Amino acid sequence: AQTVTQSQPEMSVQEAETVTLSCTYDTSESDYYLFWYKQPPSRQMILVIRQEAYKQQNATENRFSVNFQKAAKSFSLKISDSQLGDAAMYFCAYRPYSGAGSYQLTFGKGTKLSVIP
Amino acid sequence: NAGVTQTPKFQVLKTGQSMTLQCAQDMNHEYMSWYRQDPGMGLRLIHYSVGAGITDQGEVPNGYNVSRSTTEDFPLRLLSAAPSQTSVYFCASRPSGGGGGEQFFGPGTRLTVL
Repeated sequence: AQTVTQSQPEMSVQEAETVTLSCTYDTSESDYYLFWYKQPPSRQMILVIRQEAYKQQNATENRFSVNFQKAAKSFSLKISDSQLGDAAMYFCAYRPYSGAGSYQLTFGKGTKLSVIP
Repeated sequence: NAGVTQTPKFQVLKTGQSMTLQCAQDMNHEYMSWYRQDPGMGLRLIHYSVGAGITDQGEVPNGYNVSRSTTEDFPLRLLSAAPSQTSVYFCASRPSGGGGGEQFFGPGTRLTVL
């Protein structure tokens, strides 16, 4: 079974600084997707960034980027120039590219990020 | 497009009561899922559906029932509510098949069972 581990329950960052959230996962699949979701106090789940395992290039979306290490099964999220609006719970998630498990996401337990003005 | 909608947003039940959480999507997605979110646990899959008439159990299915009579709707039924079912419930949908189709989430339902 696939598992996703986020080892940092809480983190904080000064406004305008950079922070990195960690995620590791376990799978026997070779083709899969990894995601970072943001959940602000509104509760809405918002997709931040997505990485396809077959792509060697790390995904980037504006101030958000990932460090994807397939051999190490590591998928960290870097937030640059942190803003007050980045304060939220962040979830790492995994799903296979296709097959029986591709209809569900497996989530980590989340990291609560605080941004200090 | 409204995306994924859920009703109600909040609900309080007494132990033993039954209720249905509604979920609808207008994106013609084949795949729909129900997750529950508990503090410190992330989101866990309750039930899912890969198309009208086809449902299956996820990680935590006990105490819940689902059906899928149309592509658009995927209700979640609590048969006899228990305090352990106090949680936030999310419905999600995405297009079928492989590929990177994004999972779209509804706004969630906060359920409290007394």
